[in-house]
Amino acid sequence: GQQVMQIPQYQHVQEGEDFTTYCNSSTTLSNIQWYKQRPGGHPVFLIQLVKSGEVKKQKRLTFQFGEAKKNSSLHITATQTTDVGTYFCAGERGTYKYIFGTGTRLKVLA
Amino acid sequence: NAGVTQTPKFQVLKTGQSMTLQCAQDMNHEYMSWYRQDPGMGLRLIHYSVGAGITDQGEVPNGYNVSRSTTEDFPLRLLSAAPSQTSVYFCASSVQFRDGTGELFFGEGSRLTVL
Repeated sequence: GQQVMQIPQYQHVQEGEDFTTYCNSSTTLSNIQWYKQRPGGHPVFLIQLVKSGEVKKQKRLTFQFGEAKKNSSLHITATQTTDVGTYFCAGERGTYKYIFGTGTRLKVLA
Repeated sequence: NAGVTQTPKFQVLKTGQSMTLQCAQDMNHEYMSWYRQDPGMGLRLIHYSVGAGITDQGEVPNGYNVSRSTTEDFPLRLLSAAPSQTSVYFCASSVQFRDGTGELFFGEGSRLTVL
């Protein structure tokens, strides 16, 4: 079965509200990546986290990698309609073997 | 650069037919992979390759074959299509840097329907 789980599966928020998606792996990951997929599109790389406890920011997006390197989160502050899409985490299990999470679909209501 | 190019974009097959999904990249990336995307299941890794002549199985390899004769191309073959293979297929390529960073570049996807 899926070894990288994400919660929630869906999230509807009002524009301006915050949003967080969580990614949990059953095994330790060498690194974790986050991708965004717009409706009808393909996944697009957002960021990669490598170090235990690492936190990175991209404007309104904050990414965190857990101390045990088995979980991660993506937090969006003050969502905008342009944030709509599905957010995936992907963990590397061995060289180049990227296993994706189940994804969180975000809808932003104007 | 065109990036990662997948063909065809849409295909309808009958059960038992065979076909090949093509994937080509012009970025000289070592790593290529195939994923399928189904509602609620995210992206599941089918097969991947770390270089020409080298392939390995992912999470859901049954019913699919791959080969990597060149760095640029990584075709995915369905030998005998089944309705369970109805899905959107994505090809991706990547290069990994020495510091462990890297990213996957995805094609636009191929939507396959098996009747």
